[in-house]
Amino acid sequence: DTGVSQNPRHKITKRGQNVTFRCDPISEHNRLYWYRQTLGQGPEFLTYFQNEAQLEKSRLLSDRFSAERPKGSFSTLEIQRTEQGDSAMYLCASSLGHYNEQFFGPGTRLTVL
Amino acid sequence: DAKTTQPPSMDCAEGRAANLPCNHSTISGNEYVYWYRQIHSQGPQYIIHGLKNNETNEMASLIITEDRKSSTLILPHATLRDTAVYYCIVRVVADTSGTYKYIFGTGTRLKVLA
Repeated sequence: DTGVSQNPRHKITKRGQNVTFRCDPISEHNRLYWYRQTLGQGPEFLTYFQNEAQLEKSRLLSDRFSAERPKGSFSTLEIQRTEQGDSAMYLCASSLGHYNEQFFGPGTRLTVL
Repeated sequence: DAKTTQPPSMDCAEGRAANLPCNHSTISGNEYVYWYRQIHSQGPQYIIHGLKNNETNEMASLIITEDRKSSTLILPHATLRDTAVYYCIVRVVADTSGTYKYIFGTGTRLKVLA
């Protein structure tokens, strides 16, 4: 399968702990996006990368959130000092250039206890 | 803020056409309309997109009104596997690099009935 992959698929953590998610985009795609989806809502844009450069961050991305894409391939999203309000599905998408449609991964479901 | 409004839910009989409406009255002239669907516990799946002309592919047809203030996604022969949440999305420019981001609404939950 050469689609977007995300790991882990599920993560349960205690409030205050740090968590890190990984996204592997489709190999030739230079743009990578992170979204967050809460129950009953559509995905909300968080940030995106063009190659290794992070070019926009939503106001939803508080100081506790950090994303990287060090070599322009896979990306990580880290949440420090997790809060119960961080519980959501975190989706990654990638696209070939800015004009093309985004392909989404299966998501990582985070539950903060 | 979402730039689209959709009915929260719809039912469709298996084998019949499913027509999913979407209002995007504030859309700008260069903003595209995209449709994705999301089956439970999976990531959104691309269906189709358009600017002002009607579009058709192997999955669906997209009808955009002449004033571009609304559109309809048509699944010509709905099957049980088409049961999903369908999102009508306006693609907006993210920054000066020209990269785009999607603004999702809450979608329409389509249930295809046997």
